[in-house]
Amino acid sequence: NAGVTQTPKFQVLKTGQSMTLQCAQDMNHNSMYWYRQDPGMGLRLIYYSASEGTTDKGEVPNGYNVSRLNKREFSLRLESAAPSQTSVYFCASTTGTEADTQYFGPGTRLTVL
Amino acid sequence: EDQVTQSPEALRLQEGESSSLNCSYTVSGLRGLFWYRQDPGKGPEFLFTLYSAGEEKEKERLKATLTKKESFLHITAPKPEDSATYLCAVPHGGSNYQLIWGAGTKLIIKP
Repeated sequence: NAGVTQTPKFQVLKTGQSMTLQCAQDMNHNSMYWYRQDPGMGLRLIYYSASEGTTDKGEVPNGYNVSRLNKREFSLRLESAAPSQTSVYFCASTTGTEADTQYFGPGTRLTVL
Repeated sequence: EDQVTQSPEALRLQEGESSSLNCSYTVSGLRGLFWYRQDPGKGPEFLFTLYSAGEEKEKERLKATLTKKESFLHITAPKPEDSATYLCAVPHGGSNYQLIWGAGTKLIIKP
């Protein structure tokens, strides 16, 4: 049981480049989330998917797009990376019933030059 | 505005020196308060959920308590392996899916 997995673990981009962060969970969870974590700040929600086939904006969605590919996979795409998107990105999942325990992946450390 | 504030930002203790971390919140209709532990370079790991004022939960050297305005994470006789950043979060007042997170308290336990 791998839990929540994320790829890649590290990435360096130049301004304007695009990339997709991948996330998968094997816990049969309904809801999935993308967060970013910056020094001195709490985790901030970028997008979430309450269930397969739905996605919604979180607190900081600008500059990002997401795809809920199936129940297991939820990807985050940066179409034109900016230095302000340098951060650590975490994917999480929950069963989706009320506000329940979130299970996190190991994170992707992204640097945009 | 819903808000979560953690204090102190960092706490250095000697091994065996007990202390408490604070998480204060303002949210309409609290539907739970979560504590997580985060080790360097890793994702947050769930510790506790508290649902109502007066509730307490324990795990090894950690005990979490909840009042109507804040939560405390008490650490009794800590060991170096308790060193981590401790995060708290509450559900956003208007959503079942969005959590509001504090910035965390970095705890360092010196041997």
